[in-house]
Amino acid sequence: GAGVSQSPSNKVTEKGKDVELRCDPISGHTALYWYRQSLGQGLEFLIYFQGNSAPDKSGLPSDRFSAERTGGSVSTLTIQRTQQEDSAVYLCASSTRVETQYFGPGTRLLVL
Amino acid sequence: AQKITQTQPGMFVQEKEAVTLDCTYDTSDPSYGLFWYKQPSSGEMIFLIYQGSYDQQNATEGRYSLNFQKARKSANLVISASQLGDSAMYFCAMREGYTGANSKLTFGKGITLSVRP
Repeated sequence: GAGVSQSPSNKVTEKGKDVELRCDPISGHTALYWYRQSLGQGLEFLIYFQGNSAPDKSGLPSDRFSAERTGGSVSTLTIQRTQQEDSAVYLCASSTRVETQYFGPGTRLLVL
Repeated sequence: AQKITQTQPGMFVQEKEAVTLDCTYDTSDPSYGLFWYKQPSSGEMIFLIYQGSYDQQNATEGRYSLNFQKARKSANLVISASQLGDSAMYFCAMREGYTGANSKLTFGKGITLSVRP
């Protein structure tokens, strides 16, 4: 079956512009996660959605970052007024009630 | 204190030999899960193996096994019969909370493994 998909695969933007990153989870997966991976580093948790519950936003680094999940499926991560330190790979993962999170290919964001 | 520690420098192994990648963790939660993911140069994160804190036996998945030493808080990944395709970055991660819950993963900084022909 289809895995987690993310778009765009690459995004280059100018400092100060807003960007939207999209994630399509595996069909039927109730949980959706966003992580960020800076160059040569491990993954940093950003936000987590589980069904209709309030999202866990504890990892968002600033109020410039927000995310929504419409209809319990597709999610959009929005970064407003991008800064150069926002440059990273943004990874989305989804899971069911079972343990494993399955990751998408990521969006590589470069802020010039 | 870091929750997941991976301190080995880049690791090298000869093809067909076994290699152990170290991971130590820190949590006060009695229920937790430990994961290993592989990230090749293409960038995707590939799930390898999972160990629950209450699991009595070490997890195994094909050529991958997890050497779980609860008292030492270590969860080392053992790859047997290394293949050239095993060359990648390997991340250890932990989920804190009761089994079956969905919650965030905390990742280590990763270990680079290079397999020599």
